[in-house]
Amino acid sequence: DTEVTQTPKHLVMGMTNKKSLKCEQHMGHRAMYWYKQKAKKPPELMFVYSYEKLSINESVPSRFSPECPNSSLLNLHLHALQPEDSALYLCASSRQRTGGNTIYFGEGSWLTVV
Amino acid sequence: DAKTTQPPSMDCAEGRAANLPCNHSTISGNEYVYWYRQIHSQGPQYIIHGLKNNETNEMASLIITEDRKSSTLILPHATLRDTAVYYCIVRVYGSGGSNYKLTFGKGTLLTVNP
Repeated sequence: DTEVTQTPKHLVMGMTNKKSLKCEQHMGHRAMYWYKQKAKKPPELMFVYSYEKLSINESVPSRFSPECPNSSLLNLHLHALQPEDSALYLCASSRQRTGGNTIYFGEGSWLTVV
Repeated sequence: DAKTTQPPSMDCAEGRAANLPCNHSTISGNEYVYWYRQIHSQGPQYIIHGLKNNETNEMASLIITEDRKSSTLILPHATLRDTAVYYCIVRVYGSGGSNYKLTFGKGTLLTVNP
């Protein structure tokens, strides 16, 4: 089972709204990721969590706020977004051991900011 | 991570083998070759990875040249559902630091025709 589940699949929000994207995996993976993908572009890394601690922040604006409440869950809190933030947001996870860290992706959440 | 070069697009007839090339001439000794694909509007799907030996799984085969400067992903009997963008990525197979990063290039759009 290599399933990463993301909700919601589609989200439309205004620029003054606060919303959250959610991600869940039950593979025992201890690294979790957020990627952003604009139309016709490859995915770009935003954040990495390792053992529930933020390990990498790729200079993402503070209007995106990640949270890892436990080893199975990853959230991305959204506030005061701009229309150019409209994109596909991908969650991913991987094991932490040197024996294997293939990264598995969810189906993504399509975000439209109006 | 080493950079990769892939053709922007390829065509393949349904039922025939699809051979997708990738150049990674600056690959380091501890870097693996990973392949992912992304079907339109879905999250990236892991296909296969390898270090220096040829690898095969239920989805595809990976052929890596002896000098490791290039590789070929082979889909033995392409179907219409294999139409997707295929990404060749090289990265260290471990955990920690920059090993978390999976840096996507532009990939190859494979179109399987009836």
